[in-house]
Amino acid sequence: GNSVTQMEGPVTLSEEAFLTINCTYTATGYPSLFWYVQYPGEGLQLLLKATKADDKGSNKGFEATYRKETTSFHLEKGSVQVSDSAVYFCALSSSGNTGKLIFGQGTTLQVKP
Amino acid sequence: DAGITQSPRYKITETGRQVTLMCHQTWSHSYMFWYRQDLGHGLRLIYYSAAADITDKGEVPDGYVVSRSKTENFPLTLESATRSQTSVYFCASSLKAHEQYFGPGTRLTVT
Repeated sequence: GNSVTQMEGPVTLSEEAFLTINCTYTATGYPSLFWYVQYPGEGLQLLLKATKADDKGSNKGFEATYRKETTSFHLEKGSVQVSDSAVYFCALSSSGNTGKLIFGQGTTLQVKP
Repeated sequence: DAGITQSPRYKITETGRQVTLMCHQTWSHSYMFWYRQDLGHGLRLIYYSAAADITDKGEVPDGYVVSRSKTENFPLTLESATRSQTSVYFCASSLKAHEQYFGPGTRLTVT
């Protein structure tokens, strides 16, 4: 079945460092891919998405490219800020039209001043 | 305010009690979902609903009951709470398949 694997955290970076959070997936068909972010004490928020191969999703300086050949959707940001400290979840749409998402385990990012 | 709300935000209950967590959305989204979030397990889907009066089990449905008589509401009931159901519960909704919007969560403690 479909599944998502994220790099384990926590990831600790200094402010202005480059961020990569790896995400790979296993899926049949052509799923949509998502990154969600969860700030402390809050629910998840959609950060960006890509619906087909080679699409690049972007938002708030974050980017991720849907790579079908490597089944990956890595999250990147050129210069992180303390306010980016959060838990990041990679997700993919499940097969069929159920509306369900399959989430990775989440990666905690801590950015230090 | 438009959006998705959950109540209560915090709840402490005793083992064996019935407790209902409420979820309300103002977008008329077709799909609604209940998740629980626990350390080491990420997000796990409990139940979901594709439309009013249509519900289906997710990954961890045992011990939970849902209903959806109106599009905007999707309550989750723990029939007889157990300590293992101590968790943070998130409700989500989506208009079209897959792009989900999450509520702020309910932190439930079962003593």
